[in-house]
Amino acid sequence: DGGITQSPKYLFRKEGQNVTLSCEQNLNHDAMYWYRQDPGQGLRLIYYSQIVNDFQKGDIAEGYSVSREKKESFPLTVTSAQKNPTAFYLCASSIRPDTEAFFGQGTRLTVV
Amino acid sequence: AQSVTQLGSHVSVSEGALVLLRCNYSSSVPPYLFWYVQYPNQGLQLLLKYTSAATLVKGINGFEAEFKKSETSFHLTKPSAHMSDAAEYFCAVSDLSGTSYGKLTFGQGTILTVHP
Repeated sequence: DGGITQSPKYLFRKEGQNVTLSCEQNLNHDAMYWYRQDPGQGLRLIYYSQIVNDFQKGDIAEGYSVSREKKESFPLTVTSAQKNPTAFYLCASSIRPDTEAFFGQGTRLTVV
Repeated sequence: AQSVTQLGSHVSVSEGALVLLRCNYSSSVPPYLFWYVQYPNQGLQLLLKYTSAATLVKGINGFEAEFKKSETSFHLTKPSAHMSDAAEYFCAVSDLSGTSYGKLTFGQGTILTVHP
């Protein structure tokens, strides 16, 4: 079945540690996105990529980094510079940048 | 920069009543618009989309939305609410201009409660 896989579903890390969230898609989509979701704040865009080896900062990129070395993969690293990393992270992809996005099931990150 | 505003963070309706969730956008060019639904601890599912064809768009589960350029609105409606419609709904706009081409921006979300 085609889709977007985020792993793990739940992730716990100690404060000060970097952590990488995985996002893989087998839909052959060009565009991929990372969002952060906090209660009452909707989805805020962290990074997006329109094509392999290229990505742009979203609205809240500080403290995060990404790579897009393969079309199907768009991992997100939450660095120790991110002040409040505990959140629900959603990855999405779309055939082209201007079409509807399909979402993974999310990763809930808790930093203690 | 484009933006999306959803009026009302919480909407409560009775089962069988009309559902109306409001969305207004700002964009320098006519955008593409989307409505998504999210159930607890899950990803988002597309309900419907507007991509400059018909202004009245029909989606899944009996939902529809009307694009009104003069009002910069894209409100979501359903004639008769069902208990299973209880969820959080998000309006989103896709930027079709310049260096932000393809940037997908979401509203704050509206939690829909359906009571018997």
